[in-house]
Amino acid sequence: DGGITQSPKYLFRKEGQNVTLSCEQNLNHDAMYWYRQDPGQGLRLIYYSQIVNDFQKGDIAEGYSVSREKKESFPLTVTSAQKNPTAFYLCASSTPGQGDTGELFFGEGSRLTVL
Amino acid sequence: QQQVKQSPQSLIVQKGGISIINCAYENTAFDYFPWYQQFPGKGPALLIAIRPDVSEKKEGRFTISFNKSAKQFSLHIMDSQPGDSATYFCAASTGGGNKLTFGTGTQLKVEL
Repeated sequence: DGGITQSPKYLFRKEGQNVTLSCEQNLNHDAMYWYRQDPGQGLRLIYYSQIVNDFQKGDIAEGYSVSREKKESFPLTVTSAQKNPTAFYLCASSTPGQGDTGELFFGEGSRLTVL
Repeated sequence: QQQVKQSPQSLIVQKGGISIINCAYENTAFDYFPWYQQFPGKGPALLIAIRPDVSEKKEGRFTISFNKSAKQFSLHIMDSQPGDSATYFCAASTGGGNKLTFGTGTQLKVEL
Protein backbone atom coordinates (compact mmCIF):
# COMPACT_ATOMS: atom_id res chain seq x y z
CA ASP A 1 0.00 0.00 0.00
CA GLY A 2 1.16 3.54 -0.72
CA GLY A 3 1.74 5.80 2.19
CA ILE A 4 4.08 7.37 4.67
CA THR A 5 5.88 5.33 7.30
CA GLN A 6 7.28 6.96 10.41
CA SER A 7 9.45 5.18 12.92
CA PRO A 8 9.76 4.68 15.74
CA LYS A 9 6.20 5.26 16.94
CA TYR A 10 7.39 5.92 20.50
CA LEU A 11 10.84 7.04 21.57
CA PHE A 12 12.38 7.95 24.87
CA ARG A 13 15.67 9.74 25.25
CA LYS A 14 17.72 11.32 27.96
CA GLU A 15 18.50 15.01 27.99
CA GLY A 16 21.59 15.86 25.97
CA GLN A 17 21.14 13.06 23.45
CA ASN A 18 20.41 13.52 19.78
CA VAL A 19 17.70 11.36 18.25
CA THR A 20 16.72 10.75 14.62
CA LEU A 21 13.15 10.14 13.48
CA SER A 22 12.63 8.26 10.26
CA CYS A 23 10.15 9.17 7.52
CA GLU A 24 9.77 7.14 4.33
CA GLN A 25 7.18 7.58 1.59
CA ASN A 26 6.33 5.46 -1.45
CA LEU A 27 3.86 7.92 -2.97
CA ASN A 28 6.44 9.31 -5.39
CA HIS A 29 5.85 12.77 -3.93
CA ASP A 30 8.39 15.52 -4.49
CA ALA A 31 7.74 17.51 -1.33
CA MET A 32 8.11 16.37 2.27
CA TYR A 33 7.50 18.13 5.57
CA TRP A 34 8.06 17.80 9.28
CA TYR A 35 5.53 19.21 11.73
CA ARG A 36 5.54 19.29 15.49
CA GLN A 37 2.24 18.93 17.38
CA ASP A 38 1.78 20.13 20.94
CA PRO A 39 -1.51 20.32 22.86
CA GLY A 40 -3.26 23.61 22.25
CA GLN A 41 -0.71 24.75 19.66
CA GLY A 42 -1.76 22.92 16.54
CA LEU A 43 0.81 21.83 14.00
CA ARG A 44 3.93 23.90 13.53
CA LEU A 45 6.26 23.49 10.56
CA ILE A 46 9.83 22.51 11.40
CA TYR A 47 11.43 21.89 7.99
CA TYR A 48 10.27 21.17 4.46
CA SER A 49 11.84 19.94 1.27
CA GLN A 50 10.43 20.45 -2.20
CA ILE A 51 13.09 18.47 -4.04
CA VAL A 52 15.96 16.09 -3.34
CA ASN A 53 19.09 17.71 -1.88
CA ASP A 54 17.22 20.87 -0.97
CA PHE A 55 15.30 21.88 2.16
CA GLN A 56 14.14 25.02 3.93
CA LYS A 57 13.55 26.02 7.52
CA GLY A 58 10.01 26.28 8.74
CA ASP A 59 8.71 28.32 11.64
CA ILE A 60 10.45 26.43 14.46
CA ALA A 61 13.67 24.97 12.97
CA GLU A 62 15.98 25.79 15.89
CA GLY A 63 17.39 22.64 17.48
CA TYR A 64 16.44 20.42 14.53
CA SER A 65 18.22 19.22 11.41
CA VAL A 66 17.15 17.30 8.30
CA SER A 67 18.56 15.74 5.16
CA ARG A 68 16.99 14.85 1.82
CA GLU A 69 19.38 12.52 0.02
CA LYS A 70 16.64 10.40 -1.52
CA LYS A 71 13.18 11.29 -2.80
CA GLU A 72 11.62 8.68 -0.53
CA SER A 73 13.30 9.65 2.72
CA PHE A 74 13.32 12.77 4.93
CA PRO A 75 14.79 12.00 8.38
CA LEU A 76 14.57 14.52 11.22
CA THR A 77 17.24 14.82 13.91
CA VAL A 78 16.23 16.35 17.20
CA THR A 79 19.43 17.69 18.67
CA SER A 80 20.38 18.43 22.25
CA ALA A 81 20.00 22.11 21.37
CA GLN A 82 16.23 21.74 21.18
CA LYS A 83 15.08 23.08 24.53
CA ASN A 84 11.71 21.38 24.74
CA PRO A 85 11.80 18.32 22.48
CA THR A 86 9.00 16.29 24.06
CA ALA A 87 6.23 16.32 21.42
CA PHE A 88 4.37 14.43 18.74
CA TYR A 89 6.19 14.68 15.41
CA LEU A 90 4.39 14.31 12.10
CA CYS A 91 5.89 13.78 8.67
CA ALA A 92 3.93 14.61 5.53
CA SER A 93 4.37 14.58 1.78
CA SER A 94 2.68 16.13 -1.23
CA THR A 95 3.01 16.75 -4.90
CA PRO A 96 3.20 20.52 -5.31
CA GLY A 97 0.24 21.80 -7.21
CA GLN A 98 -1.45 18.43 -7.15
CA GLY A 99 -4.79 18.91 -8.78
CA ASP A 100 -6.87 21.45 -6.96
CA THR A 101 -6.21 20.30 -3.44
CA GLY A 102 -2.59 20.83 -2.49
CA GLU A 103 -3.25 17.92 -0.15
CA LEU A 104 -0.77 16.85 2.50
CA PHE A 105 -0.54 13.15 3.29
CA PHE A 106 0.56 12.49 6.85
CA GLY A 107 2.23 9.58 8.56
CA GLU A 108 0.99 8.26 11.91
CA GLY A 109 3.54 10.21 13.87
CA SER A 110 6.36 9.63 16.32
CA ARG A 111 5.94 10.50 19.97
CA LEU A 112 9.22 11.62 21.55
CA THR A 113 9.58 11.86 25.31
CA VAL A 114 12.68 13.32 26.90
CA LEU A 115 13.32 12.02 30.38
CA GLN B 1 2.58 35.23 15.55
CA GLN B 2 -0.51 33.14 15.04
CA GLN B 3 -1.83 33.71 11.54
CA VAL B 4 -4.83 31.39 11.79
CA LYS B 5 -6.98 31.57 14.91
CA GLN B 6 -9.33 28.68 15.61
CA SER B 7 -12.21 28.36 18.06
CA PRO B 8 -13.51 26.74 20.14
CA GLN B 9 -10.70 24.67 21.61
CA SER B 10 -13.17 21.91 22.47
CA LEU B 11 -16.76 21.16 21.59
CA ILE B 12 -19.36 18.67 22.78
CA VAL B 13 -22.35 18.02 20.54
CA GLN B 14 -25.25 15.62 20.84
CA LYS B 15 -25.68 12.98 18.17
CA GLY B 16 -27.66 14.42 15.28
CA GLY B 17 -26.73 17.99 16.14
CA ILE B 18 -24.69 20.53 14.18
CA SER B 19 -21.01 21.04 15.00
CA ILE B 20 -19.56 24.43 14.09
CA ILE B 21 -15.87 25.31 14.20
CA ASN B 22 -14.60 28.76 13.28
CA CYS B 23 -11.32 30.10 11.96
CA ALA B 24 -10.06 33.59 11.27
CA TYR B 25 -6.95 34.58 9.35
CA GLU B 26 -4.83 37.69 9.03
CA ASN B 27 -2.84 37.20 5.85
CA THR B 28 -4.89 38.39 2.88
CA ALA B 29 -2.55 36.50 0.55
CA PHE B 30 -3.96 33.18 1.75
CA ASP B 31 -5.89 31.56 -1.08
CA TYR B 32 -6.38 27.96 -0.04
CA PHE B 33 -8.25 26.88 3.09
CA PRO B 34 -8.38 23.18 3.97
CA TRP B 35 -9.75 21.39 7.00
CA TYR B 36 -7.99 18.32 8.40
CA GLN B 37 -9.43 15.64 10.66
CA GLN B 38 -7.26 13.75 13.15
CA PHE B 39 -8.19 10.68 15.17
CA PRO B 40 -6.21 9.83 18.34
CA GLY B 41 -2.79 8.37 17.60
CA LYS B 42 -3.07 9.04 13.88
CA GLY B 43 -1.89 11.69 11.48
CA PRO B 44 -4.33 14.31 10.16
CA ALA B 45 -6.17 13.65 6.91
CA LEU B 46 -7.71 16.14 4.50
CA LEU B 47 -11.45 16.47 5.05
CA ILE B 48 -12.57 19.30 2.79
CA ALA B 49 -11.03 22.44 1.28
CA ILE B 50 -12.14 25.71 -0.29
CA ARG B 51 -10.67 28.50 -2.36
CA PRO B 52 -11.82 32.14 -1.93
CA ASP B 53 -13.65 32.34 -5.25
CA VAL B 54 -16.64 30.56 -3.68
CA SER B 55 -18.50 31.25 -0.43
CA GLU B 56 -19.50 27.70 0.37
CA LYS B 57 -18.48 24.14 -0.39
CA LYS B 58 -20.39 21.06 0.67
CA GLU B 59 -19.29 17.44 0.73
CA GLY B 60 -21.79 15.12 2.30
CA ARG B 61 -22.42 16.23 5.89
CA PHE B 62 -19.44 18.61 5.87
CA THR B 63 -19.70 22.22 4.70
CA ILE B 64 -17.17 25.03 4.60
CA SER B 65 -18.53 28.57 4.72
CA PHE B 66 -16.12 31.29 3.65
CA ASN B 67 -16.38 35.05 4.28
CA LYS B 68 -13.59 36.82 2.43
CA SER B 69 -14.39 40.32 3.68
CA ALA B 70 -14.38 39.19 7.29
CA LYS B 71 -11.37 36.92 6.72
CA GLN B 72 -13.20 34.06 8.36
CA PHE B 73 -14.15 30.52 7.44
CA SER B 74 -15.98 27.80 9.29
CA LEU B 75 -16.67 24.08 9.21
CA HIS B 76 -20.20 22.83 9.74
CA ILE B 77 -20.84 19.16 10.44
CA MET B 78 -24.49 18.32 9.98
CA ASP B 79 -26.14 15.36 11.71
CA SER B 80 -23.02 14.85 13.84
CA GLN B 81 -22.19 11.23 14.66
CA PRO B 82 -20.03 9.63 17.37
CA GLY B 83 -17.63 8.58 14.61
CA ASP B 84 -17.01 12.28 13.92
CA SER B 85 -15.34 12.60 17.34
CA ALA B 86 -11.84 13.76 16.48
CA THR B 87 -9.63 16.82 16.44
CA TYR B 88 -10.23 19.23 13.57
CA PHE B 89 -7.66 21.66 12.23
CA CYS B 90 -8.24 24.54 9.87
CA ALA B 91 -5.32 25.67 7.75
CA ALA B 92 -4.37 28.18 5.09
CA SER B 93 -1.72 28.67 2.46
CA THR B 94 -0.70 31.03 -0.32
CA GLY B 95 -0.40 30.27 -4.01
CA GLY B 96 -2.64 27.24 -3.52
CA GLY B 97 0.41 25.52 -2.18
CA ASN B 98 1.21 22.92 0.38
CA LYS B 99 3.10 24.97 2.96
CA LEU B 100 0.20 25.20 5.34
CA THR B 101 -0.29 27.34 8.41
CA PHE B 102 -2.52 25.45 10.84
CA GLY B 103 -4.96 26.60 13.48
CA THR B 104 -4.62 25.31 17.03
CA GLY B 105 -7.25 22.58 16.63
CA THR B 106 -10.70 21.80 18.01
CA GLN B 107 -11.38 18.61 19.90
CA LEU B 108 -14.90 17.49 19.00
CA LYS B 109 -16.83 14.94 21.00
CA VAL B 110 -20.20 13.73 19.76
CA GLU B 111 -22.27 12.17 22.52
CA LEU B 112 -25.06 9.65 22.14
